[in-house]
Amino acid sequence: RKEVEQDPGPFNVPEGATVAFNCTYSNSASQSFFWYRQDCRKEPKLLMSVYSSGNEDGRFTAQLNRASQYISLLIRDSKLSDSATYLCVVNGNFGNEKLTFGTGTRLTIIP
Amino acid sequence: NAGVTQTPKFQVLKTGQSMTLQCAQDMNHNSMYWYRQDPGMGLRLIYYSASEGTTDKGEVPNGYNVSRLNKREFSLRLESAAPSQTSVYFCASRRGGRGSNQPQHFGDGTRLSIL
Repeated sequence: RKEVEQDPGPFNVPEGATVAFNCTYSNSASQSFFWYRQDCRKEPKLLMSVYSSGNEDGRFTAQLNRASQYISLLIRDSKLSDSATYLCVVNGNFGNEKLTFGTGTRLTIIP
Repeated sequence: NAGVTQTPKFQVLKTGQSMTLQCAQDMNHNSMYWYRQDPGMGLRLIYYSASEGTTDKGEVPNGYNVSRLNKREFSLRLESAAPSQTSVYFCASRRGGRGSNQPQHFGDGTRLSIL
């Protein structure tokens, strides 16, 4: 089993719709979780950290489910500018500085 | 407001040539990372350094060496470049430290082609 797995998509979603991605991880001791977005041929940029209690930032909501070992990202009222690849990132054990990326989920918002 | 700076941004090499990719951060971060990104493969960790003076292998270290020159700089060296090392290379840094939940910050990337 891969350390971090994502559905590669592509997800083609009409503007204004709600879309959700999941990301599963294999190490039950993982402590740090993040969602990044990456535009074509650009560097990954932090979208949001994922906290145990779940967190929201505008139209974006992140959730952590430790029992099932997955994190999720929900995007409401999607905009054309949300088109990108979304990467989940998970660290190893507590204090472990090694972070592992999923392969990313490609999202295209259709006008 | 530089953040993470990578040089060069583009490079073309011939098979067998050597080169060093440079990375520097000005955020006083403890941890630094080198990734490569290939189509359909996501970002794969080559090496990382949790603190000045330490380095550890990631998923794909073969064919690479690294040096954590000081807290600011982390270089990646290809001793004998091979076409399979054609990729986009990203450097990242993170505050790090035990219990840290801080995210990584990335440089703009180096696009490397090996002919």
